[in-house]
Amino acid sequence: KAGVTQTPRYLIKTRGQQVTLSCSPISGHRSVSWYQQTPGQGLQFLFEYFSETQRNKGNFPGRFSGRQFSNSRSEMNVSTLELGDSALYLCASSAGTGGYTGELFFGEGSRLTVL
Amino acid sequence: GESVGLHLPTLSVQEGDNSIINCAYSNSASDYFIWYKQESGKGPQFIIDIRSNMDKRQGQRVTVLLNKTVKHLSLQIAATQPGDSAVYFCAERAMNRDDKIIFGKGTRLHILP
Repeated sequence: KAGVTQTPRYLIKTRGQQVTLSCSPISGHRSVSWYQQTPGQGLQFLFEYFSETQRNKGNFPGRFSGRQFSNSRSEMNVSTLELGDSALYLCASSAGTGGYTGELFFGEGSRLTVL
Repeated sequence: GESVGLHLPTLSVQEGDNSIINCAYSNSASDYFIWYKQESGKGPQFIIDIRSNMDKRQGQRVTVLLNKTVKHLSLQIAATQPGDSAVYFCAERAMNRDDKIIFGKGTRLHILP
């Protein structure tokens, strides 16, 4: 069974640009959560989608957005990039909603560098 | 605010010894706790979980202890091996936060030969 796939794995952007990251969950999983990981703040919850609906949202500005498609694949978008957005963005899928079971299956992440 | 924290950022343990990684949480409504392991270059991996109606749960070489009175949980790894080198995160879910899974900042476990 294939794991969670995130693309791209690495990318470099400049301030003011926007970026879209993609996540393909494990087959059959309907919940996708996104986290931002930085050395100083650890893993910060961005949002969770379940059956194409945003179920939860973390404390991030509106520049951070996401969506989920009918095949459970998810994308997140960051607009007007800032230097502080440099981070590893992790996607996790679960069979039920993330809050039902803590067994989130993570991808290897997309490492974003903003110059 | 919401916080799940760790007492030590780095823990060095002799190979073969037992490791104990500690975690404190602040939300008394937290009802479910999870430990994750993250190896270099990889995403976090589920290790073990425990619900608030339990105070101990055992897995293969790992034990999680929960003390709700002092809002503390720990992960014990028996007979630590080089492959246990990683960053360990505790995480919690609280029903008063729409069931979001909130992660702590992590403890790096370093295995000494």
